[in-house]
Amino acid sequence: GDSVTQMEGPVTLSEEAFLTINCTYTATGYPSLFWYVQYPGEGLQLLLKATKADDKGSNKGFEATYRKETTSFHLEKGSVQVSDSAVYFCALSNTGKLIFGQGTTLQVKP
Amino acid sequence: EAEVAQSPRYKITEKSQAVAFWCDPISGHATLYWYRQILGQGPELLVQFQDESVVDDSQLPKDRFSAERLKGVDSTLKIQPAELGDSAMYLCASSFRRLDTEAFFGQGTRLTVV
Repeated sequence: GDSVTQMEGPVTLSEEAFLTINCTYTATGYPSLFWYVQYPGEGLQLLLKATKADDKGSNKGFEATYRKETTSFHLEKGSVQVSDSAVYFCALSNTGKLIFGQGTTLQVKP
Repeated sequence: EAEVAQSPRYKITEKSQAVAFWCDPISGHATLYWYRQILGQGPELLVQFQDESVVDDSQLPKDRFSAERLKGVDSTLKIQPAELGDSAMYLCASSFRRLDTEAFFGQGTRLTVV
């Protein structure tokens, strides 16, 4: 079945460091890909999405490119802030139903 | 800004008791999802509604869990009897159409079974 694999955390960075969180997927067909962010005690917020190969999703300085050849959707940000500390989930959807990775905790220290 | 409303935010219940969660999706959203998120894991779909009909409940433990969306608007998820392993965050989400690429999540209900 369809699945998503994310790099394990936690990821600890200093403020202004470069961020990469790896995400790879297995799916039939051509799924849409997403990154969601979850702050402590809260629900999930959509961070960015891409619906077809080579699309780049971007929001709030975060970017991810849909790479069909490597079945990847890695999340990047050039300069992280303390306020970016959260759990990040990669997800895919073929039919509206979302399939999530296990999440990666990001801690940014001042 | 329209939001998905869930209540209660937190619930503590004893093992073998019944518990219910409520969700009100964004107005006009035909598709409603219930997800369960165990601590340290990603959410997993329990049930998906299209209007008042269930379109996917393959991961719903039907011996103890039930879900309904009688008028195709708000929804209730029930657990009876609750077990210790049911402790988790229960998330409701909605989207305008079934194949929409964006779902909006509520803040969730944190259930603790003692």
